[in-house]
Amino acid sequence: SQTIHQWPATLVQPVGSPLSLECTVEGTSNPNLYWYRQAAGRGLQLLFYSVGIGQISSEVPQNLSASRPQDRQFILSSKKLLLSDSGFYLCAWSWHPQETQYFGPGTRLLVL
Amino acid sequence: GESVGLHLPTLSVQEGDNSIINCAYSNSASDYFIWYKQESGKGPQFIIDIRSNMDKRQGQRVTVLLNKTVKHLSLQIAATQPGDSAVYFCAENNNAGNMLTFGGGTRLMVKP
Repeated sequence: SQTIHQWPATLVQPVGSPLSLECTVEGTSNPNLYWYRQAAGRGLQLLFYSVGIGQISSEVPQNLSASRPQDRQFILSSKKLLLSDSGFYLCAWSWHPQETQYFGPGTRLLVL
Repeated sequence: GESVGLHLPTLSVQEGDNSIINCAYSNSASDYFIWYKQESGKGPQFIIDIRSNMDKRQGQRVTVLLNKTVKHLSLQIAATQPGDSAVYFCAENNNAGNMLTFGGGTRLMVKP
């Protein structure tokens, strides 16, 4: 069976510090991968998606970036965090872009 | 999506009653729909899906209804329990771009 992992689970970072959130998928190959952000009490905002190694598409211009160094690894980064980057970050995978997405447990980020 | 910045609507039901959560979609070409459940502090979990060649699909205590005429999707939960308290998202494959589009979500609160 397939599993998706995210770490860390919780992160508190000062404004201006860098960020690296990691997502890995087990039990499947060549998944489509996604990063979402969710503000408290809000819906899902798609940030990035990837259909293969090194292939990243950005949905929302911002100070975040994503990379996919390996088939089942998706990383969300920032060089300098802003207060507005606080939120709940979710990674998801799917076999096909138009099919069911399966979500990880999420990382709660608080920027102070 | 456009609903990302809006507060979630809330549905409050009594324990043991049936719940109906509604979702409207905009693209008549959408042919695949999914309901997710997101408990507090966790990632969304797949509940049930339905394809456009069906009007109804049943799972364990849940039923999804699809009305293509008015582009409406609903999730019915029978005998609602406290553990059903969560945010529920619908998602559709609307063939715009390559990915699922998520609705804004509805918060279900179950009163004991």
